[in-house]
Amino acid sequence: TQLLKQSPQFLSIQEGENLTVYCNSSSVFSSLQWYRQEPGEGPVLLVTVVTGGEVKKLKRLTFQFGDARKDSSLHITAAQPGDTGLYLCAGATDFGNEKLTFGTGTRLTIIP
Amino acid sequence: EAQVTQNPRYLITVTGKKLTVTCSQNMNHEYMSWYRQDPGLGLRQIYYSMNVEVTDKGDVPEGYKVSRKEKRNFPLILESPSPNQTSLYFCASRGRLENTEAFFGQGTRLTVV
Repeated sequence: TQLLKQSPQFLSIQEGENLTVYCNSSSVFSSLQWYRQEPGEGPVLLVTVVTGGEVKKLKRLTFQFGDARKDSSLHITAAQPGDTGLYLCAGATDFGNEKLTFGTGTRLTIIP
Repeated sequence: EAQVTQNPRYLITVTGKKLTVTCSQNMNHEYMSWYRQDPGLGLRQIYYSMNVEVTDKGDVPEGYKVSRKEKRNFPLILESPSPNQTSLYFCASRGRLENTEAFFGQGTRLTVV
């Protein structure tokens, strides 16, 4: 079983600060997705990264896929209370395969 | 509206009493999966299906069964639930093209006493 370890597990910061969440594995993934989950809801996709070294920006969120496609990071600039939630990374190993491995999650709380 | 619908949202049952959690999607997706979510362990895949009548084990299949008789439905069956199956369960579906988004249901919180 491939494992995706996220760090930190919990993060609580003040509104306006910057933060980075990491997703690490010893396995190579063909693509990696980031999801955000709010209480009482299922995860919702934020972004998919496919190419090693790829960087994608979504407003104040910047996602990077490691060169070796084993790790990824999510950086949030000027965090806002609306960013509060559980962030999950998920890796796929084969195209056309439904085996999606999820990370352990980072629970982010932004304090107004 | 594109959606994945799970029922029930909440369920409390007793050990050994068979139960089924239903999942239906209206997006004509080929792929469907069941996950369980437990604190500190993230989402773990129980079973997945690549199309009608095609299912396979995920990472934690023990104690669960699934079926895919129709493309839109993917029920999760617990033949003899045990307390260690107390968890939050999610059904998800996605299309067959590469890197497509997984759409999740709202979850079923199951408690087995």
